Order: sequence, then structure tokens, then C-alpha cells
Amino acid sequence: DAGVIQSPRHEVTEMGQEVTLRCKPISGHNSLFWYRQTMMRGLELLIYFNNNVPIDDSGMPEDRFSAKMPNASFSTLKIQPSEPRDSAVYFCASTTRATQGAGTEAFFGQGTRLTVV
Amino acid sequence: QQQVKQSPQSLIVQKGGISIINCAYENTAFDYFPWYQQFPGKGPALLIAIRPDVSEKKEGRFTISFNKSAKQFSLHIMDSQPGDSATYFCAARYNNNDMRFGAGTRLTVKP
Repeated sequence: DAGVIQSPRHEVTEMGQEVTLRCKPISGHNSLFWYRQTMMRGLELLIYFNNNVPIDDSGMPEDRFSAKMPNASFSTLKIQPSEPRDSAVYFCASTTRATQGAGTEAFFGQGTRLTVV
Repeated sequence: QQQVKQSPQSLIVQKGGISIINCAYENTAFDYFPWYQQFPGKGPALLIAIRPDVSEKKEGRFTISFNKSAKQFSLHIMDSQPGDSATYFCAARYNNNDMRFGAGTRLTVKP
């Protein structure tokens, strides 16, 4: 398996533009997570899906952020309009649904480095 | 949103020394505590993990110590090597899938 695949790897955009980040989870994994990583705030959970259904989006910073998972093999994170403070590395991760107390490894993609100028 | 507090923010250790990174949490519903290692330009990767019914887990040079009553856990890297230089994240999971991460510790091991 190729692992979690994110695209693009790098994105530079102007303030006010729409940005769409893409993620393909590992086949067979039924949970998908979007994280944002910055020097100041570390790794923050934005939203996660179980079986394509958004479970917790309390980490989404503002209405400018939206995420979708139309099927088990694809998810998008959209920022519209983008702002310079959205500059960060955005990670997607996937995992199988854990049973209580059992270990679950979250597999991360390589990330998308977003720069909003 | 920072439900897992991690310290120190950065750590410099001499080759052969012991690296110690600490984490604390509040939510007693957490049931799984992994540590992730991240190299520059890469996503985090699972290093070692522990469940709260165990006080210590060791894998090679890496050991997790877990204190349930204090709601603290730590990562010890014995005989630290320059190749261990990376950012380390502790994490805690609850609700079967919701994973929360600490802010990260940038470890530098000097040769």
C-alpha cells in the first residue's frame, strides 16, 4: 500500500483565494483525520470522520474551513477565503476503528505545506 | 484545545545520554497513549505506545513510563544517538478514535 496520499505537497496562494487540499486514506481504513501543524500551536486536530461521516469538527478554526469525505477513498479540506494566518502544514491521517483499549496506529501522509501571501 | 501538555519544547542531549520528554493529561477517558516521531518534511510516525493498565513499556532504547494516578507519562530514550534527532509528539486517544497530540518536543542529539 502506498500509504496516505496527500496533494499537493506545497501550495502557495494569494490571500482571498480558495485552497483545496486533498487526501486519499489507506484502503480499508475507516477513520480519517485532518490536522494542522504550526510552530506556535503544534499539531491540532481540525476534524475527523468515521465511515465518511464527520464526527467532531470542533477543531475547525472558522467557517472559512470546510471538509468533506464523499467516499471512503477521498477527502478534501477547503479554505475559502484563505488568509496569511492559515499558513501551516496540513496533515491527513487514517486509521482503522479501534476497539476499546486496543492500540490503533494513525498513519500520516506527508503533509501539504500551505503558504498564503 | 490543548488537552495534552508536553514538555520541554526543545531538548539538547549529548550522544549516549538519556532524553526524557514528559506529558500530562486531564481527561481520564483517554485509553491509549502513543508517541510519534517526526523527521523534517515527513508526517509523524508511531514510535511506541502504552495502555493505562501498564506502568512501563520498553522497546529497544525507547521506554514509556506511565503514572495513571498522576495522569502523566513520559518517553525515555536511552543511549541517545544523532539519528534520534527529530520532533517527538505524545498523544492520547479517547472515544475509540479521537486522538489529541501534545505540542511536540524538538530533540537534538549532539555527536
